[in-house]
Amino acid sequence: DTGVSQNPRHKITKRGQNVTFRCDPISEHNRLYWYRQTLGQGPEFLTYFQNEAQLEKSRLLSDRFSAERPKGSFSTLEIQRTEQGDSAMYLCASSLVGKRGDEQYFGPGTRLTVT
Amino acid sequence: GENVEQHPSTLSVQEGDSAVIKCTYSDSASNYFPWYKQELGKRPQLIIDIRSNVGEKKDQRIAVTLNKTAKHFSLHITETQPEDSAVYFCAPSNQAGTALIFGKGTTLSVSS
Repeated sequence: DTGVSQNPRHKITKRGQNVTFRCDPISEHNRLYWYRQTLGQGPEFLTYFQNEAQLEKSRLLSDRFSAERPKGSFSTLEIQRTEQGDSAMYLCASSLVGKRGDEQYFGPGTRLTVT
Repeated sequence: GENVEQHPSTLSVQEGDSAVIKCTYSDSASNYFPWYKQELGKRPQLIIDIRSNVGEKKDQRIAVTLNKTAKHFSLHITETQPEDSAVYFCAPSNQAGTALIFGKGTTLSVSS
């Protein structure tokens, strides 16, 4: 499968713990995005990278959230001191900017449950 | 920031009927207008998109129309089939390849 992959697919954690998710984009894609989706809502933009540079962060991204893309390939999203309100599906997407397409392709998501 | 609204929030049609979903946005700088389909438990998938220099685009049974003056764009599905049942999201942005701002979604149910 050459699509966007995310790990783990599910994560259950206790409030106050730290969690880290990983996203592997489509191999030639230079942009990588993180979104969060809660039940019955559309995805909400969190942040995106071009190669290893973080180009934009949403105001939704509190200082407990940090994202990295150290080598311009995979990315990690870390949530520190998790809260119950962090429970959501975390979606990663990637795109190839510079070509006519530049559509965003989504991964299957990581479902986080904070108890 | 961008305010995106979709109407209706739910839509039920008979197989073979047409379905139309409208998306209204607030940011006049928006120039990329995609529609995503999300089946239950699955990832969002791009089904069609349009850029601001085009008024309409069609791909088989699916079409998107854009009215930049009125700041809305619509998804049209003809000859609906049960497999079209899903949640549809519009997600305008200032530029393709930047942050997508999703609407709250429209749940389409196609009964046979």
